[in-house]
Amino acid sequence: GENVEQHPSTLSVQEGDSAVIKCTYSDSASNYFPWYKQELGKGPQLIIDIRSNVGEKKDQRIAVTLNKTAKHFSLHITETQPEDSAVYFCAARYTGNQFYFGTGTSLTVIP
Amino acid sequence: DTEVTQTPKHLVMGMTNKKSLKCEQHMGHRAMYWYKQKAKKPPELMFVYSYEKLSINESVPSRFSPECPNSSLLNLHLHALQPEDSALYLCASSPQEGGEKLFFGSGTQLSVL
Repeated sequence: GENVEQHPSTLSVQEGDSAVIKCTYSDSASNYFPWYKQELGKGPQLIIDIRSNVGEKKDQRIAVTLNKTAKHFSLHITETQPEDSAVYFCAARYTGNQFYFGTGTSLTVIP
Repeated sequence: DTEVTQTPKHLVMGMTNKKSLKCEQHMGHRAMYWYKQKAKKPPELMFVYSYEKLSINESVPSRFSPECPNSSLLNLHLHALQPEDSALYLCASSPQEGGEKLFFGSGTQLSVL
């Protein structure tokens, strides 16, 4: 079945540095890859997404890159701020039109 | 209004209790979802409603009973739960089933004693 691997599971960066989280998927038919941010006591919130016909997408300080051949996609956060501290989940939409989530990355931005 | 509202935020229940979780959205979305999330784990899909009809049941035990009274409301009825059912229960909606934009509520933190 579909599997989404996510690394690292925890990540600490100094404020102002960049953070990168990577995910690998197994279903070559997956065509949509969202990233969610979950703060403590809240539900996941969609922060950026990418479709399989695009290689990169950027929205201010966050960007996502997709390598279809290698079946991996990455989240890049630049100029990190303390409010970026949260758990981040990648996801892949598979052929049943539902989503598999990665295992999550707990990001801590140290002021 | 781009919110999915869930009530209650916290719930403690015994194994013999019956309780219900409620979810509401006014974005005109036609797909609504229940997810279960254990601490430090990703959300796991439980049920999908599409146009108020149950579309997907991910082999969830019958002690969880979903209900979709109308296009804006989604309930999850709980009965005879086990301590291992303690988790964060998340409701989500999207414009259509399998739609790209999933909007999540803040969840109900459930503890079963």
